[in-house]
Amino acid sequence: DAKTTQPNSMESNEEEPVHLPCNHSTISGTDYIHWYRQLPSQGPEYVIHGLTSNVNNRMASLAIAEDRKSSTLILHRATLRDAAVYYCILRVGSNQGGKLIFGQGTELSVKP
Amino acid sequence: NAGVMQNPRHLVRRRGQEARLRCSPMKGHSHVYWYRQLPEEGLKFMVYLQKENIIDESGMPKERFSAEFPKEGPSILRIQQVVRGDSAAYFCASSPRPGTGPTGELFFGEGSRLTVL
Repeated sequence: DAKTTQPNSMESNEEEPVHLPCNHSTISGTDYIHWYRQLPSQGPEYVIHGLTSNVNNRMASLAIAEDRKSSTLILHRATLRDAAVYYCILRVGSNQGGKLIFGQGTELSVKP
Repeated sequence: NAGVMQNPRHLVRRRGQEARLRCSPMKGHSHVYWYRQLPEEGLKFMVYLQKENIIDESGMPKERFSAEFPKEGPSILRIQQVVRGDSAAYFCASSPRPGTGPTGELFFGEGSRLTVL
């Protein structure tokens, strides 16, 4: 599995946008970029995924660089409930299933 | 539609005892994954199963650990002769048959927290 690099931690203020970066310089053409998050004492949950184009859903937006070597997860207005560890994961084939390999992720803290 | 159900949520065992963790996947899901999360560490893949078949067990410790997903009933992760280092949160996830879901998303349970005294 191709490797991703994320900052260990980030801080944000409540109600402000948050941009969580992810580098994946060894990404291949068939790798999808998936994001999951893990709230304290809970299992991970899916956030968003994309291949080449930017994506939006009710939880977040995903901005993918033109060369696909990096991406950014955008939370438009952080709330206290968004405090979690965010994982950026590369996956071959969006719906092909199979295991996910989690890295260390970025621990996001949100200040009131 | 109930989510992935794991039980027990908390389990305490003494060294040398056996631990059995159960996972019921979401309705319609035929694939199950087990992950372990040691205190203050990330999630580590253990095993990937479909009913009556182990697809990938590359993350399973060579001894004392086993997993099954029978035709009927939940998936079971079994740890024999537990040691203190087995204390961790064990998460189960499920997915539909690959290629059938819209996103390839894995749905995780709340986890089972094992404490070995």
